[in-house]
Amino acid sequence: GEDVEQSLFLSVREGDSSVINCTYTDSSSTYLYWYKQEPGAGLQLLTYIFSNMDMKQDQRLTVLLNKKDKHLSLRIADTQTGDSAIYFCAAPPGGYNKLIFGAGTRLAVHP
Amino acid sequence: DTEVTQTPKHLVMGMTNKKSLKCEQHMGHRAMYWYKQKAKKPPELMFVYSYEKLSINESVPSRFSPECPNSSLLNLHLHALQPEDSALYLCASSQDRYTEAFFGQGTRLTVV
Repeated sequence: GEDVEQSLFLSVREGDSSVINCTYTDSSSTYLYWYKQEPGAGLQLLTYIFSNMDMKQDQRLTVLLNKKDKHLSLRIADTQTGDSAIYFCAAPPGGYNKLIFGAGTRLAVHP
Repeated sequence: DTEVTQTPKHLVMGMTNKKSLKCEQHMGHRAMYWYKQKAKKPPELMFVYSYEKLSINESVPSRFSPECPNSSLLNLHLHALQPEDSALYLCASSQDRYTEAFFGQGTRLTVV
């Protein structure tokens, strides 16, 4: 089955860029997703990329996809304290929306 | 509007109680989901409804019983739960089974 892996923790200074990495195993995933979860809250869909794209930019967010290596990254430009949260990478094996989540990367932003 | 509304936000129940979690969306989505998230863990899929029919049950114990009364509503009926069932229960919906899913804020369930 699908396996999604992420690093668990990232600490950045306010104003710097953050890069969160993710790897997945099922190459048939048609879309790949990034969700944000703040403490005590649900999941917020941040962005997603279709599997035939290499890059997607949405304001401060840039998603890069390397299909050959099954590697996905999320870059947050000009990181702010409000960006502190857990970020989940998610992939639907076989293209169906049964999302398999990575363990989540806790982003800590310090002054 | 990408809102999925879950009620209640918090629920404490005894092991002999029967309770229900509710989820509602008015985006015209035809797929709805229940996920369970234990503390410090990622969400895990429990059930998928597609066009109001149960399409995936991830081997969830029968003490959890989903129901989709119409295309906007999804319920999760709870009976004879165990303390280890304490978790954040998340509802999600998507236009169909292939498109992006939007999540509600969750119901934090504590079983005592």
